[in-house]
Parts: sequence; C-alpha cells; structure tokens
Amino acid sequence: DAKTTQPNSMESNEEEPVHLPCNHSTISGTDYIHWYRQLPSQGPEYVIHGLTSNVNNRMASLAIAEDRKSSTLILHRATLRDAAVYYCILIPLIQGAQKLVFGQGTRLTINP
Amino acid sequence: NAGVMQNPRHLVRRRGQEARLRCSPMKGHSHVYWYRQLPEEGLKFMVYLQKENIIDESGMPKERFSAEFPKEGPSILRIQQVVRGDSAAYFCASSPFDGPYEQYFGPGTRLTVT
Repeated sequence: DAKTTQPNSMESNEEEPVHLPCNHSTISGTDYIHWYRQLPSQGPEYVIHGLTSNVNNRMASLAIAEDRKSSTLILHRATLRDAAVYYCILIPLIQGAQKLVFGQGTRLTINP
Repeated sequence: NAGVMQNPRHLVRRRGQEARLRCSPMKGHSHVYWYRQLPEEGLKFMVYLQKENIIDESGMPKERFSAEFPKEGPSILRIQQVVRGDSAAYFCASSPFDGPYEQYFGPGTRLTVT
C-alpha cells in the first residue's frame, strides 16, 4: 500500500483558511487521493477525493501537485466544527481493493 | 436518503458472551466495510463485503470474528466469546460501487466487555 505522511497536529483560527498537507511520494499512477475526517466521538466523514486535477466541493478544496507526490486539503474558512482528525488516504484503482488504510492523520485545532 | 445506520449504538457484554453488531447501508449501496477503533488507537480495516460475498477479510482476527451481508437485511459483524480486548468502537461504511469511491460511515457501535 502506498503510504502517506501528514503532520501530527495543526492549529488555526476560526474564520481563517487552513491548508492541510499530505505527502505521498510513492503514489502510483492510478491511486486516488481521498480525504476523510473524524470529529470527536463520531464516525469518519468523507471530505473530498481526486486523481490529478484540483477538486472543489461544498466542504473543501483539494489541490494536487503536478507530480502527484503531494496534495493539500484546503478549508476556506474554518469553523469550530472543523476541529477533527484529518486523514489523507490513497486508494488504488483495483477491483476489490478499496479498503481505507488510516494513518495517524492530522489533528486540527481551531481557536475561537 | 437515510445515512448508514448501525445498531445498537452501545453494547455491553460480559466476557464469553456473543456480540452481534448490525449495519444497514445507505439505500442503493451494495458494498459494506467494517472498521474497528480500539481505545486511543487508529481506525483499522476489518472486512469488505458485497451482497452474499466476502471480498476482503484481511483485517479480521482469525478466530471468533465473522461477518456476513445477506441478500436481504443488514450486514452483521459477529464476535463470539468476547474478551476485554474486543472493547472498541466498530464502524460500518457503505459505497454504491466497487472502486475508489467515497465511503459513507455510520455512527458506530461502542462495545464494552466487562
């Protein structure tokens, strides 16, 4: 399984943008980049995913480096509710192989 | 469209008893995944099922644990003769297709073994 590397923790202020980095230097050409988050005492929640192009949805944006060896999850305007552990996960385009392998993730703290 | 449902939300079992955890996927989803989160640890994949088939059980403990996803009804994760080390949060997720698509998680079942 291709591995990802994320900072253990990050801190930001409410209503400011947050950029969460993820390194995946051993990514293969058909690996999709997924982001999930887990709020305290809740199940994980899908955030966004992409392959090569940058992606936007109502929750966040995903910026993927041209060589695909890194990506950044962007929360445009953080709220207190965004305090969670964020996971960057690679999923191969192989039938039956889409189990999520969670690393330690980045624990994001939002200051009011 | 209701989300992934899990029940019970909390389950207490004495050592040696059986635990049955249920997961109803989102409507139209035929792919179910089970994950476990031990106290103060990360999430670990356990098993991936499609209707009536186990696709990947590489994360399942070899003994006492089994999972099924019948043609009709919810997916069941069954733990026989529970031990204290089985105390954890068990999460179920579902997706509509086989492939690198998003998985939608349920709220989890918190199992406590006394």
